[in-house]
Amino acid sequence: DAKTTQPNSMESNEEEPVHLPCNHSTISGTDYIHWYRQLPSQGPEYVIHGLTSNVNNRMASLAIAEDRKSSTLILHRATLRDAAVYYCILFPYNAGNNRKLIWGLGTSLGVNP
Amino acid sequence: DTAVSQTPKYLVTQMGNDKSIKCEQNLGHDTMYWYKQDSKKFLKIMFSYNNKELIINETVPNRFSPKSPDKAHLNLHINSLELGDSAVYFCASSQDLATGGGQPQHFGDGTRLSIL
Repeated sequence: DAKTTQPNSMESNEEEPVHLPCNHSTISGTDYIHWYRQLPSQGPEYVIHGLTSNVNNRMASLAIAEDRKSSTLILHRATLRDAAVYYCILFPYNAGNNRKLIWGLGTSLGVNP
Repeated sequence: DTAVSQTPKYLVTQMGNDKSIKCEQNLGHDTMYWYKQDSKKFLKIMFSYNNKELIINETVPNRFSPKSPDKAHLNLHINSLELGDSAVYFCASSQDLATGGGQPQHFGDGTRLSIL
């Protein structure tokens, strides 16, 4: 099963960009790269996902390496509300292959005022 | 409107009891999931249902039995609760199974189960 590796924690300053890295060297050709974040006492919240091309939405941007073995979630201007645990997960194209899908511990992002 | 709602939010009960957690989604999705998040914050998939049909039952004891009366609901019944069942249980949904990897999962806010 493809796994991801993320730093345990990162710190940023309010209104500055944040780049959250994720390594997934064993990614398969049909795995989608998903990012979620979890605030305390809440369920994970979808942020963004992609397959091969970089993606942008109102929350963030996702930069995917050409070989797809790593990706970076970019928060363009961090706010205090962005302080959360960020998870990078690989979802197979067919969700029926989600066996043994275990999310890692993610990156705990702190945002300083 | 809450997209994925779970009840109850907190559940405190004695070891050996039987309890149920309910989940409903109003997104019109075909696929629903149960996840367990343990004290170390690892989030692990337990079950996946597609159109009321069980797709994944991943290393979960038989004491856990999901029930899907319709595709908008996926309930989790737990028999003979044990101390190790203490965790936060999350329900989630996605549009469908076949292209599930390409679609976001939407999560409820979790049910915090504490076994005394």
